[in-house]
Amino acid sequence: NAGVTQTPKFRILKIGQSMTLQCTQDMNHNYMYWYRQDPGMGLKLIYYSVGAGITDKGEVPNGYNVSRSTTEDFPLRLELAAPSQTSVYFCASSYDSSLEQYFGPGTRLTVT
Amino acid sequence: GDSVTQMEGPVTLSEEAFLTINCTYTATGYPSLFWYVQYPGEGLQLLLKATKADDKGSNKGFEATYRKETTSFHLEKGSVQVSDSAVYFCALSEGGGADGLTFGKGTHLIIQP
Repeated sequence: NAGVTQTPKFRILKIGQSMTLQCTQDMNHNYMYWYRQDPGMGLKLIYYSVGAGITDKGEVPNGYNVSRSTTEDFPLRLELAAPSQTSVYFCASSYDSSLEQYFGPGTRLTVT
Repeated sequence: GDSVTQMEGPVTLSEEAFLTINCTYTATGYPSLFWYVQYPGEGLQLLLKATKADDKGSNKGFEATYRKETTSFHLEKGSVQVSDSAVYFCALSEGGGADGLTFGKGTHLIIQP
């Protein structure tokens, strides 16, 4: 049981490039989330999903897109990378919206 | 909207000292409350939780009591160890909706031997 896995661990992008951050969970959780963590700040919700085929915007969705074609996978897409997207990105999942979330190890992204 | 306020860090203590990290919240309903811990270079791990007023969450010697009258969920530990050095996040979930957790900014705890 691997829990929540994320790839890559680190990435450096040039301004305007695109990339996909991968997230997979093997706990059969319906709810999945993407957060970003900026230095000295708490986590901010980017997008979330309540099940396969259903996604919705969080607090800071601009510049990102997501999809949820399966229960296990919830990739996050950056289309035109900007320096403001330099951050650490965490994926999380939960069985129920009121219960605790399980977090992946994070992806550290730098855009220069 | 919902918000969580926790004491600014870093908090520096000596080993075996008593720890309190304050957390207060604003919510429209009756949230569940959580403390998460983040060790260097790792993701967040759930430390403890409480789902209704007067509940006490506890784990690894840490405790926090859900106080509805003061909208607080302060984290305490009687005797800290060097291995407790980490960043601690207070968070809430309103549930019902699915829009994630609302986090405080985190408190960096440093325990000196």
